[in-house]
Amino acid sequence: GDSVTQMEGPVTLSEEAFLTINCTYTATGYPSLFWYVQYPGEGLQLLLKATKADDKGSNKGFEATYRKETTSFHLEKGSVQVSDSAVYFCALCTQGGSEKLVFGKGTKLTVNP
Amino acid sequence: DAGVIQSPRHEVTEMGQEVTLRCKPISGHDYLFWYRQTMMRGLELLIYFNNNVPIDDSGMPEDRFSAKMPNASFSTLKIQPSEPRDSAVYFCASSLWNSGANVLTFGAGSRLTVL
Repeated sequence: GDSVTQMEGPVTLSEEAFLTINCTYTATGYPSLFWYVQYPGEGLQLLLKATKADDKGSNKGFEATYRKETTSFHLEKGSVQVSDSAVYFCALCTQGGSEKLVFGKGTKLTVNP
Repeated sequence: DAGVIQSPRHEVTEMGQEVTLRCKPISGHDYLFWYRQTMMRGLELLIYFNNNVPIDDSGMPEDRFSAKMPNASFSTLKIQPSEPRDSAVYFCASSLWNSGANVLTFGAGSRLTVL
């Protein structure tokens, strides 16, 4: 079945450091890919998405590129802030198939001042 | 729009009691999802509805769990009887299907503790 694998956390960085959170997927067909973020005590919210190969999703300084050849969708940010501390979830949705999202297990990021 | 509204935000109950969690999706959204989040298992999809009709309940753990969506603006997730292993945060999410990408809006969650 479809699945998403994320790098295990937690990840701890200093402010202004570069962030990469790895995400790879297994899916039949051509999925849409997502990053969701969960701030403490809140529900998940969409951070960015990409719907086809080579698309780059971006939002709030975060970026991820849909790489079909490596089945990856790594999340990056050039300079993290304390306010970026949260749990990040990679997810996929198979186009033309099920409407449900399949989530990775999440990666907790802590950014220290 | 006020977003997806869940109640209660916190529930503490004793083993064997019935628990009912409630969700009001975003007006106009045609999909509603119930997820459960635990440290051990992460986010698990329990069930989802399309236009108030259950589409896939394969994630419902066992017969103790049931979900209903009597109309487009309300859904419930019921656990009867509850057990300590049901302790988790339960999220409701809704979406308006857009070809090629299903973007979910989540509620703030209901944290359930079963003693």
